[in-house]
Amino acid sequence: AQSVTQPDIHITVSEGASLELRCNYSYGATPYLFWYVQSPGQGLQLLLKYFSGDTLVQGIKGFEAEFKRSQSSFNLRKPSVHWSDAAEYFCAVGFFSGGYQKVTFGIGTKLQVIP
Amino acid sequence: DTEVTQTPKHLVMGMTNKKSLKCEQHMGHRAMYWYKQKAKKPPELMFVYSYEKLSINESVPSRFSPECPNSSLLNLHLHALQPEDSALYLCASSQEDRADEKLFFGSGTQLSVL
Repeated sequence: AQSVTQPDIHITVSEGASLELRCNYSYGATPYLFWYVQSPGQGLQLLLKYFSGDTLVQGIKGFEAEFKRSQSSFNLRKPSVHWSDAAEYFCAVGFFSGGYQKVTFGIGTKLQVIP
Repeated sequence: DTEVTQTPKHLVMGMTNKKSLKCEQHMGHRAMYWYKQKAKKPPELMFVYSYEKLSINESVPSRFSPECPNSSLLNLHLHALQPEDSALYLCASSQEDRADEKLFFGSGTQLSVL
């Protein structure tokens, strides 16, 4: 069965430091992969997505993610974190199930940025 | 216009009340979704409408009743809810009902059931 695992529930980084948020998926074929960000009390905003081709994808707000098939991973990175990046980050996978296409989300990683 | 608008932003209701959540988008998207998000949890899919027809119902209790009056509007009718139904209800839309589509989310309705 398909699943998305985000092993880090909470991460704290200093402003200006680099960031990597981990995501692993389980799916029989190459999935559609996404990273979304959610600020408190708000909806989710797409940062980036991967379907095929170049395994390093660039997104908005200076984020990038790398798809590694051998590790079933799609980790999100940012070279220098800003205080405004504090939010909840969700990895998601799109897949076929029961004749329908669905998107399922990981449990999320809450990012705290300290001065 | 790249927004999904949800009203109301906050709703408090008793277990015997009937209320409705509304969602609107003017991006010409043909797929619209309701998600439920409990505190500190990921969004969970409830319903999917594709071309104004219900295509997915994720075994949601009948006290939740979706409606898609036209391609721009999506409602969620609530009746006889339970306190455990308290959550953030998110509406989303996408160009098509496809797994590779970007989802555009509204800011949600924070529902409290007393």
